[in-house]
Amino acid sequence: LAKTTQPISMDSYEGQEVNITCSHNNIATNDYITWYQQFPSQGPRFIIQGYKTKVTNEVASLFIPADRKSSTLSLPRVSLSDTAVYYCLVGALASGGSYIPTFGRGTSLIVHP
Amino acid sequence: EPEVTQTPSHQVTQMGQEVILRCVPISNHLYFYWYRQILGQKVEFLVSFYNNEISEKSEIFDDQFSVERPDGSNFTLKIRSTKLEDSAMYFCASNQGGGAWNTEAFFGQGTRLTVV
Repeated sequence: LAKTTQPISMDSYEGQEVNITCSHNNIATNDYITWYQQFPSQGPRFIIQGYKTKVTNEVASLFIPADRKSSTLSLPRVSLSDTAVYYCLVGALASGGSYIPTFGRGTSLIVHP
Repeated sequence: EPEVTQTPSHQVTQMGQEVILRCVPISNHLYFYWYRQILGQKVEFLVSFYNNEISEKSEIFDDQFSVERPDGSNFTLKIRSTKLEDSAMYFCASNQGGGAWNTEAFFGQGTRLTVV
């Protein structure tokens, strides 16, 4: 599985756009990039997934450059409720045939009033 | 929206006892997982389960642990001879499968296991 590196923590203010960048230099050709969100004492929650270029859903956008060695999760106009840990995951099927979400330390985002 | 449900939400057990954590994955999903998260640490993969057998397991998942899908809906994690260091949140997750593109796993709310 490709190793990912993302900032340990970030601070923002309500109403701002937040961009969290993840580097994954050894991403494999068939790897997808997935972001999860986790609130304290809750299970991780899928936010968005992409392979290349830009993906947007009702929650976030994911920007992936052509070389795919990094990706940026963009959260538009954050609110206090976006305070959470955000994980960047890179990987595809494991040797046994199943996809295994593998989590790193994530980025702890704190949104201030 | 379909969800993964876990019971109990909190379990307290004495060291050396056996516990069974229960999960009901989303009904049409094919892959099931158990993870744990020790307080303040990252979410760690324990085991994945597909087609009624373990498909992958981590080095954490030793002989102390076992999983079972006793019927068409439940997925359980058994921890034998619990130790203090087994205290953690345990998350169950499921994935619909279908290919490398499907990286969306649905996680339950977790069971907080406290070993005293």
